[in-house]
Amino acid sequence: SQQGEEDPQALSIQEGENATMNCSYKTSINNLQWYRQNSGRGLVHLILIRSNEREKHSGRLRVTLDTSKKSSSLLITASRAADTASYFCATDARGPRVSGNTPLVFGKGTRLSVIA
Amino acid sequence: SAVISQKPSRDICQRGTSLTIQCQVDSQVTMMFWYRQQPGQSLTLIATANQGSEATYESGFVIDKFPISRPNLTFSTLTVSNMSPEDSSIYLCSVKQGNTDTQYFGPGTRLTVL
Repeated sequence: SQQGEEDPQALSIQEGENATMNCSYKTSINNLQWYRQNSGRGLVHLILIRSNEREKHSGRLRVTLDTSKKSSSLLITASRAADTASYFCATDARGPRVSGNTPLVFGKGTRLSVIA
Repeated sequence: SAVISQKPSRDICQRGTSLTIQCQVDSQVTMMFWYRQQPGQSLTLIATANQGSEATYESGFVIDKFPISRPNLTFSTLTVSNMSPEDSSIYLCSVKQGNTDTQYFGPGTRLTVL
């Protein structure tokens, strides 16, 4: 079952603008990971943020995590047409399984369109 | 990062037949995961495959329909049995890099059932 919900479901922006996508989840987590998927192909790992971290950066990407609100955001700055893709958050939930063997549970994704 | 390959990359199959998807990883991993992504949807976990033991299936998925093999620490197969058009999806294998918890995905197998 889906753990997370992304918001918005679809986002269309002009090249050069910033894009912000949000993710909410339901249970306690070990970490949260963001992925990009182009046109139904494989998933590209973007960034992992652990439950004890509040913010991480990677190039033009900035991810925040608020465990009290069970939410995360992905900001892409100075967007490019090549950023057009679907973006998914996925949570590595705490639970009875041994840490490291817990599979990710995915949100529904945000479809981002960057118009040149 | 782990490098994962899948075969075939895509296939078109007739209903009632079966397809076996192969997943090869460039390093030894304890757990491999198989996901399904139906058209326009997100990823749903099918099962977790541990080397040397039976796979653990998620609710809604059964071994008779999706038998999994895990003969060694770098390879796994997923079979989609007795296919129907509802099985048309992208099937992805995935592994965790143990020391970072990062989960990597293969390129996926796009299956169309007619």
